[in-house]
Amino acid sequence: RKEVEQDPGPFNVPEGATVAFNCTYSNSASQSFFWYRQDCRKEPKLLMSVYSSGNEDGRFTAQLNRASQYISLLIRDSKLSDSATYLCVVNLNQAGTALIFGKGTTLSVSS
Amino acid sequence: EAQVTQNPRYLITVTGKKLTVTCSQNMNHEYMSWYRQDPGLGLRQIYYSMNVEATDKGDVPEGYKVSRKEKRNFPLILESPSPNQTSLYFCASSPAEGYEQYFGPGTRLTVT
Repeated sequence: RKEVEQDPGPFNVPEGATVAFNCTYSNSASQSFFWYRQDCRKEPKLLMSVYSSGNEDGRFTAQLNRASQYISLLIRDSKLSDSATYLCVVNLNQAGTALIFGKGTTLSVSS
Repeated sequence: EAQVTQNPRYLITVTGKKLTVTCSQNMNHEYMSWYRQDPGLGLRQIYYSMNVEATDKGDVPEGYKVSRKEKRNFPLILESPSPNQTSLYFCASSPAEGYEQYFGPGTRLTVT
């Protein structure tokens, strides 16, 4: 069964807070991982790919734990503009299945 | 500018009236896909295409058709729309299957 599960949310945090999202995936053969951001009623946009060694892009840090089959996204110093839904995406590396999207976690940053 | 375009962006139609939603990408991508997004259900894949003249069903293909006669275009066809096809539809493309996908702006369809 192909499955990607995310923290249900919503996460309501004040500006400046650090917030972390987790995502678990069921297929150990998964090869690549991504975080997408989706604003209300807009298209999903790639936030960052997730590499085995972990990677950082400004205030955002993504990590992969293959042994436990989860990925995480850490957002430091939250901004109002970070308010969005964050989608965890996994490539199951099976022909015809392409990317599997989680249902998303909603983040609301308030002043 | 590299992009995926969809038309129309908004459409209200009646049950049974055939419609087509166009999708075009200018990035020379091999892979294209259609999704629908409904509250609480997330993104669900309708159809995908690995290349020209190569299409296949996704998770929710019933009631939809697609074609891929040219690399850049991947239209979604609803031969006889029904109210349960009211949804937000996204087209996406990627260099190949499994790579990060780039999405069009979405088409909000209402079937009455």
